[in-house]
Amino acid sequence: EAGVAQSPRYKIIEKRQSVAFWCNPISGHATLYWYQQILGQGPKLLIQFQNNGVVDDSQLPKDRFSAERLKGVDSTLKIQPAKLEDSAVYLCASSSAGTVQYFGPGTRLTVT
Amino acid sequence: AQSVTQPDIHITVSEGASLELRCNYSYGATPYLFWYVQSPGQGLQLLLKYFSGDTLVQGIKGFEAEFKRSQSSFNLRKPSVHWSDAAEYFCAVGSYSSASKIIFGSGTRLSIRP
Repeated sequence: EAGVAQSPRYKIIEKRQSVAFWCNPISGHATLYWYQQILGQGPKLLIQFQNNGVVDDSQLPKDRFSAERLKGVDSTLKIQPAKLEDSAVYLCASSSAGTVQYFGPGTRLTVT
Repeated sequence: AQSVTQPDIHITVSEGASLELRCNYSYGATPYLFWYVQSPGQGLQLLLKYFSGDTLVQGIKGFEAEFKRSQSSFNLRKPSVHWSDAAEYFCAVGSYSSASKIIFGSGTRLSIRP
């Protein structure tokens, strides 16, 4: 069974630029999550989708972050414009029936 | 509100020695508890989980954890560590009513002394 795929693995941008991350969950997993993991901290949930609907986006900085999950499969997370404090690893996870979450390898974003 | 505390930021143990990583949680309802491991540059891999039943849970790679409700703890143990166990370990808690949403601790970095 293929795991959660993410791309790119690394991204370096300047502040005020925009960036997008892509996630392909495990086949058949209805729930998809985006997490932000700042160095030295645990992952923090940004947004949770159930199929193509948003379940929880209370921690998403909506003035600069957006996410979508068209057709209930792949998802993209966008940051526009980026700030220095957005430097982090962005993790995508998926789950079936709301139990165990399976994580992708993450995208390491550096904002200079 | 849910919270997870991992009091040890960094632990170093000798190869072959036993290991215990501490995790304390705060949650009013029946918790779902998880331990994940993250190797450098990798995503998180599930080591084990506790939903209900036997409070001693066996996981992958020889790890086990014990749920102690009276102490609000879910400590991770391994009888003999290997150099490949060097990684970051995260404890996480979810709720019975909403297991899909989990809160992570800040992690414990494990180093192995040859």
